[in-house]
Parts: sequence; C-alpha cells; structure tokens
Amino acid sequence: EVQLLESGGGLVQPGGSLRLSCAASGVTFSSYAMSWVRLAPGKGLEWVSGISGSGDSTYYADSLKGRFAISRDNSKNTLYLQINSLRAEDTAMYYCAKESGATIFSSAMDVWGQGTTVTVSS
Amino acid sequence: DIQMTQSPSSLSASVGDRVTITCRASQSVTSYVYWYQQKPGKAPKLLIYAASSLQSGVPSRFSGSGYGTFFTLTISSLQPEDCATYYCHQSHSGPRTFGQGTKLEIK
Repeated sequence: EVQLLESGGGLVQPGGSLRLSCAASGVTFSSYAMSWVRLAPGKGLEWVSGISGSGDSTYYADSLKGRFAISRDNSKNTLYLQINSLRAEDTAMYYCAKESGATIFSSAMDVWGQGTTVTVSS
Repeated sequence: DIQMTQSPSSLSASVGDRVTITCRASQSVTSYVYWYQQKPGKAPKLLIYAASSLQSGVPSRFSGSGYGTFFTLTISSLQPEDCATYYCHQSHSGPRTFGQGTKLEIK
C-alpha cells in the first residue's frame, strides 16, 4: 500500500520560510511524478507545484512562482516544498500527492497524504 | 491558464436522488479531467480519471462523462456518505487547475 506522510508545517511569522517534506513508502518513488496541493480556510483546492519522477522538470502555479521551490530526493523517497517570504494568504493545509505517471501532465493525483498545516501569523 | 468552471457551487439533495455536477473548461482539455471528493478534515480522494473511468474501489453510483470543454459527474443514487465537496481538475496543460468546488449536502 502506498503511503505519503507530510511534515514540516507550523506557525511562522510573515516573511519567514518553511520546508515541507513528504515521505513516501510502498512505491517505486522515482517512477512517479509528485505534486503539492493546498486548501486554504474557506477556499477551494489549489494546485501549487509538481515535479517529474526524475526531478528534471518542475512546474508551479503562476501566482506562486519565485517563492516556492519543489524538489525531491529519490534516494530517500522524499518530496520537498520550500516556501519563502511567507504571507498570510499562504495559510493552508498542504497536501502531497502521487501522480499516476512519470510526468504531471495527462496524469491523475491518485494517492494523497493527510496534509500538514501552515499558519502564517505574527 | 485553463479555467475550470463548476456548477452549481452548492446543492442540497435527498437520499436516493440523482445528482449531476458540471464542469466547463475555458479551452479543450481533451479527456484529461479528474473528479475528486473531499470531506471535512480529510484528504481529497480520486473518484474519476480520464473524464469517465472509475477509480478502483469507488462505488459504481459515481460516473463521469465528457470530452473537450464540457464534463459531468453524476451520482446515480445519493447516499448519506456522499456529503462532501467535489472538485473537477485538469492535467492537460500547465498550470494545472481545479474548479471552485461543489458543496453537496443531504436534505
């Protein structure tokens, strides 16, 4: 059974940084692309970023480019999301999701973690 | 960016009702549309992939259809456990986008 476990969330002041992690098990990690999706309070799901199985290709939501950086370590079966210059509007539950293919296009997010909460507040 | 517009934004229906949610894409996404169910405090769950294929383990009362720019999710006989928010999503081209969600309540 594929399992994803996010960590690294917490309370951070505006302007601060966080690195979220997502540890995968039960899967040949490097064979699949991965994505991050967030759910802000009172809002809908927002796709944040995705990365190919090899890690060579990365993609971001237009509004988030520049502050977010996705990466992966296939030797550790772990996905990361670095978030810099945090703003109040980044407050959300952040989910990692496994894609059904090696790229993020033409692919479904078929397994999800339980999420990690990021709260940006002074 | 491709915009995904869902309707309605909320609906209330009775157990046993047939329920349909629609999703319209701002440009063709061929069949690369997916439907997710999210219950409060839980992670999203994939229901339908490639517009009309039922994900393993999902009850057969859920079905999807469509191609190009217009898609539907149908629940043939609503059950109490179907109370949730439903989202359409496209992975045809970047950036990937979700519909705004449809909150389904049971009368």
